[in-house]
Amino acid sequence: DAGVTQSPTHLIKTRGQHVTLRCSPISGHKSVSWYQQVLGQGPQFIFQYYEKEERGRGNFPDRFSARQFPNYSSELNVNALLLGDSALYLCASSSARGWNQPQHFGDGTRLSIL
Amino acid sequence: DQQVKQNSPSLSVQEGRISILNCDYTNSMFDYFLWYKKYPAEGPTFLISISSIKDKNEDGRFTVFLNKSAKHLSLHIVPSQPGDSAVYFCAATTTSGGSNYKLTFGKGTLLTVNP
Repeated sequence: DAGVTQSPTHLIKTRGQHVTLRCSPISGHKSVSWYQQVLGQGPQFIFQYYEKEERGRGNFPDRFSARQFPNYSSELNVNALLLGDSALYLCASSSARGWNQPQHFGDGTRLSIL
Repeated sequence: DQQVKQNSPSLSVQEGRISILNCDYTNSMFDYFLWYKKYPAEGPTFLISISSIKDKNEDGRFTVFLNKSAKHLSLHIVPSQPGDSAVYFCAATTTSGGSNYKLTFGKGTLLTVNP
């Protein structure tokens, strides 16, 4: 069975640009969540989507947005990129909405802002 | 404001010995705790979890202990193997909704198991 897949693997952007990151969950998983991991820190929660609706949002500015499609894949969009947005962006899927279900993570998208 | 703290950035142990990774939390709303392992260039992998109604959960070589009064949990790996070398993240959540209804991670502890 395919795990969580994320694309692209690496991305380089400049300040002010926007970026779209993509995530395909494990087949049958309806919950997708997004995390930002900067160097030396643990993953920080950005969004959770379940059944195509936003179910949770972390402490991130409105430049960050996401959506979930009918096939449960998801996109994370970041506008007006800042140097501080450079990070590893992780997507995780799970079979249910609750956080006491193990989250299955993809290998992430490494975003570098120049 | 770090609500989940892993105060040891790194830990080195000999193969076959016990590894003990520690985690402290400050938010009394947290009632479910998880440990994840992360190898370089890979996403975190779920290892073991524990609900606040328990004080111990065991899965093979991995045991998690929870001390609610101290707001402290620990992960024991016995015996440690070189393949256990990775970054270990402690994470916490509440199962009752609200603003804490998300996974909050610590900064991680790099475990190195020496042959």
